[in-house]
Amino acid sequence: QSALTQPASVSGSPGQSITISCTGTISDVESYNLISWYQQHPGKAPKLMIYEGSKRPSGVSNRFSGSKSGNTASLTISGLQAEDEADYYCSSYAGIVLFGGGTKVTVL
Amino acid sequence: QLQLQESGPGLVNPSETLSLTCIVSGGSIRNTRYYWGWIRQPPGKGLEWIGSIYDSGSTYYNPSLKSRVTISVDTSKNQFSLKLNSVTAADTAMYYCARHAVWVRGVTITGTWFDPWGQGTLVTVSS
Repeated sequence: QSALTQPASVSGSPGQSITISCTGTISDVESYNLISWYQQHPGKAPKLMIYEGSKRPSGVSNRFSGSKSGNTASLTISGLQAEDEADYYCSSYAGIVLFGGGTKVTVL
Repeated sequence: QLQLQESGPGLVNPSETLSLTCIVSGGSIRNTRYYWGWIRQPPGKGLEWIGSIYDSGSTYYNPSLKSRVTISVDTSKNQFSLKLNSVTAADTAMYYCARHAVWVRGVTITGTWFDPWGQGTLVTVSS
């Protein structure tokens, strides 16, 4: 059982913004910086989208952003596109590496 | 461009040992700030970290698997390996290797993430 909780699914129409939450061991700025987000298309390997809470690797669209509010980290996808339809996982570190249960994003 | 590729048997008998190798190309596995990790994903389920290794051989494992897991590194071949013993059907999964960033300030981990990932290899445990 994951110590990071994500909604099972989130959906939105093209052009809209959606937010995926990740709740768990994120009590302060230091633990927030341990948050990373991954995108996984069906049959493909996960791809790093956000690291250290809000940083984007080179090549990742600026439509993807990471933020924190209280004990919740979030991934926001703005200007939703069909290609964004995928599973998204948050990850953190609390003595061991943890992954959230994953969120399926559907573009309506 | 750094690339990782998993290799190993796709079918393992119950109670036997699962053995996989991750070959790293486009960069050296040695003398970097990075760990090298294994992550698995059962069919239709989420991701589970198995463990990671530094080029010095220093390892750390998921406690839930620690008693059955050994990760080793061969810097001369630029590869690292996973062994999981006493496997059962519950170990059937896609197994991924990845470069594992673990940034440390003093004794505190200040950042950790996996990038890039290998394409993964499906291992089925069945007789």
